[in-house]
Amino acid sequence: SQTIHQWPATLVQPVGSPLSLECTVEGTSNPNLYWYRQAAGRGLQLLFYSVGIGQISSEVPQNLSASRPQDRQFILSSKKLLLSDSGFYLCAWSGSLSSGNTIYFGEGSWLTVV
Amino acid sequence: AQSVTQPDIHITVSEGASLELRCNYSYGATPYLFWYVQSPGQGLQLLLKYFSGDTLVQGIKGFEAEFKRSQSSFNLRKPSVHWSDAAEYFCAVNTGGFKTIFGAGTRLFVKA
Repeated sequence: SQTIHQWPATLVQPVGSPLSLECTVEGTSNPNLYWYRQAAGRGLQLLFYSVGIGQISSEVPQNLSASRPQDRQFILSSKKLLLSDSGFYLCAWSGSLSSGNTIYFGEGSWLTVV
Repeated sequence: AQSVTQPDIHITVSEGASLELRCNYSYGATPYLFWYVQSPGQGLQLLLKYFSGDTLVQGIKGFEAEFKRSQSSFNLRKPSVHWSDAAEYFCAVNTGGFKTIFGAGTRLFVKA
């Protein structure tokens, strides 16, 4: 069966510091990969998605970036964090679009920028 | 553009009572429809999904949802709520591409 893991689960970072969140998927090949952000009390905002190695689509302009160095690895980065980057970040994957693009989520990473 | 509305920010029900969470979408055709549940501090878990066919869909944990095309709705139901069902519930819509639109969520509180 497929599993998805992301880490770290929690981190507190000072303003202006870099960020790296990692996510890996097991049990499937060539998944579509996603990074979502969930602000407190709000819904999910799609940040990036990727359909293959090195292919990244950005949904919102921001100081975050994403990379996909391997088929089942997805990384969310920032060179300099802002206070507004605080939130709950969720990595997710999906298979074929013919299956309705059902999305499966990781456990999430809490980021607090201080 | 497509959108998803969950009219209720929060709902409180008594344990053992029935539950219905509302979801309305805006889209010209029939989209793919999903319900997810999120416990505090955790990721989202898929409860059920509708693609086509029978408009009453069964999911995990005793949940079901009914697609009503005439009302553009996909409401989630459970006949008898357990205390462990307290969580946040998200309705989501996909129209065939990579972007899935999520509602703002409904937080369910269960009282003894």
